[in-house]
Amino acid sequence: GAGVSQTPSNKVTEKGKYVELRCDPISGHTALYWYRQSLGQGPEFLIYFQGTGAADDSGLPNDRFFAVRPEGSVSTLKIQRTERGDSAVYLCASSSYRGLATGELFFGEGSRLTVL
Amino acid sequence: RKEVEQDPGPFNVPEGATVAFNCTYSNSASQSFFWYRQDCRKEPKLLMSVYSSGNEDGRFTAQLNRASQYISLLIRDSKLSDSATYLCVVGYGQNFVFGPGTRLSVLP
Repeated sequence: GAGVSQTPSNKVTEKGKYVELRCDPISGHTALYWYRQSLGQGPEFLIYFQGTGAADDSGLPNDRFFAVRPEGSVSTLKIQRTERGDSAVYLCASSSYRGLATGELFFGEGSRLTVL
Repeated sequence: RKEVEQDPGPFNVPEGATVAFNCTYSNSASQSFFWYRQDCRKEPKLLMSVYSSGNEDGRFTAQLNRASQYISLLIRDSKLSDSATYLCVVGYGQNFVFGPGTRLSVLP
């Protein structure tokens, strides 16, 4: 499809395990964001890429979280030593340069992470 | 204090009602303002941008008061299909901060 694609849609893991979440943005979109959303809350900013580089990673909660975008397209969010508090929906969004001016972020359907 | 705060809700209103949502933000350097809509278990989608002069899109009217750091969204003639969570979003540079959202249920 033409939208933002996220995989897996659901991931159940055990405390202490390593998890990777993938985001495939809209073709040609240079800006890519990761947010996470807990039940009843708004999306919480994690990290923003412009091209291949992380322009702002101030939202990553601690050093267990890391994200890459090596070729400026697909991005992977990596979580080490998962904790129960990491359980949330992880949302990826992309935007074009023009879209950023209008505030239009296109979100994927999210990856729901459950840490048991 | 959170960067973006919204009415806690939920708002339960009958069809045809007018409903207003309020939002305040703490970062005076904020440059851009938006309302997003999020349906249950779906991704957020841009509803409308908010301009200082106020702007309208059909039944939806958005207002911004920079001096008070306050944003509002008014929905007239509510439809069942308006039921959703409305997220206030504040941008500075290319960083976008989302509020917690206010849930609206329009009842038949």
